[in-house]
Amino acid sequence: DAKTTQPPSMDCAEGRAANLPCNHSTISGNEYVYWYRQIHSQGPQYIIHGLKNNETNEMASLIITEDRKSSTLILPHATLRDTAVYYCIDIGGTSYGKLTFGQGTILTVHP
Amino acid sequence: GAVVSQHPSWVICKSGTSVKIECRSLDFQATTMFWYRQFPKQSLMLMATSNEGSKATYEQGVEKDKFLINHASLTLSTLTVTSAHPEDSSFYICSARNQAGTGGTNVLTFGAGSRLTVL
Repeated sequence: DAKTTQPPSMDCAEGRAANLPCNHSTISGNEYVYWYRQIHSQGPQYIIHGLKNNETNEMASLIITEDRKSSTLILPHATLRDTAVYYCIDIGGTSYGKLTFGQGTILTVHP
Repeated sequence: GAVVSQHPSWVICKSGTSVKIECRSLDFQATTMFWYRQFPKQSLMLMATSNEGSKATYEQGVEKDKFLINHASLTLSTLTVTSAHPEDSSFYICSARNQAGTGGTNVLTFGAGSRLTVL
């Protein structure tokens, strides 16, 4: 079973920031937080990952709390194409890709 | 960037027949690939880990004789659903990790998926 909890759904207006929370209160010291998303009827797509520092790339920003028990994925300017299911996964570096997906958050971006 | 190709993207077959799905890493080598299954409105479930040159590792509850996995080269893994039945109808997705990539060890590239419908 997935070890993270996420809200089942969220809405966001196009052009606004989308902030997707994730609770990973049982994360251990060597486990990272990874975010993937799945657009309808496609395979998942990697977004970003982090250990304890905040991270930013061309797709999103990842804010991890100091105690590492939760994090927030930020899409700074959401577009309609960002409508997808977003998955937060905590996983150790030695798992080598064996991901366990939870139910994720369905993000709907409205015009 | 890393690309994983799956073929076919959709297939319809009769009950009792076998169906093969291919997963190729187009611009990188992958000693390990993963196969997932996704039923409608559900999340992805890991079925098995495909290892190049050795036997696949199956998750608990997944029948290895029904879902045959072959990983004969560093760029190709195949999943064969044998004697398919309507309950095997699902979205099958593969993924691979670019071991030469600079991303984390759990940065995977996924294929677009293969939708199987068994009549």
